[in-house]
Amino acid sequence: GAGVSQTPSNKVTEKGKYVELRCDPISGHTALYWYRQSLGQGPEFLIYFQGTGAADDSGLPNDRFFAVRPEGSVSTLKIQRTERGDSAVYLCASSLNGLAANEQFFGPGTRLTVL
Amino acid sequence: AQKITQTQPGMFVQEKEAVTLDCTYDTSDQSYGLFWYKQPSSGEMIFLIYQGSYDEQNATEGRYSLNFQKARKSANLVISASQLGDSAMYFCAMREGMEYGNKLVFGAGTILRVKS
Repeated sequence: GAGVSQTPSNKVTEKGKYVELRCDPISGHTALYWYRQSLGQGPEFLIYFQGTGAADDSGLPNDRFFAVRPEGSVSTLKIQRTERGDSAVYLCASSLNGLAANEQFFGPGTRLTVL
Repeated sequence: AQKITQTQPGMFVQEKEAVTLDCTYDTSDQSYGLFWYKQPSSGEMIFLIYQGSYDEQNATEGRYSLNFQKARKSANLVISASQLGDSAMYFCAMREGMEYGNKLVFGAGTILRVKS
């Protein structure tokens, strides 16, 4: 498919465990974003990559959250020592570049449940 | 202060009628962009329409139009001829500044239900 894909679609884990969430952006898109959407709320920005580098990580809630994009394509969001409050849908989006007018295309999300 | 305010938690509209979803925003930037996204129950975020702060014409995309009132800092979405498939959550979002990669700031959303 040509859209943004995310794996897994659902992840259930126990408090304290480590999880990795994967995002495959649209081919050729240099900008990649991670958002978190809690139940009944709008998405909240976590981090933005332009190419391989994290250009803006101001939305990461604390140092348990980390993301990488080593080859400028696939990105992995990593959460250490998960807490129940981390339960949410994690959305990935990509855009052609980071220009302001460019639409962000969203993936289907990964629903993370921390028990 | 909230950057994006959507004051209607839920709205009902009769099929084939028009509906307006409200959005007000708060920014001190002169350059910014406003977006509307649709999120059906399946969860994906679908881009609907974009308005740049310097665009003089209101944006339109098919049945969607954006009523942009810059002085009032409002960017309401108008859906004409509502269809049952329009039932979904609708989010207004803003991107501040024109430099690369500005994040989107979303409102809390409005649930729209289209009645047959």
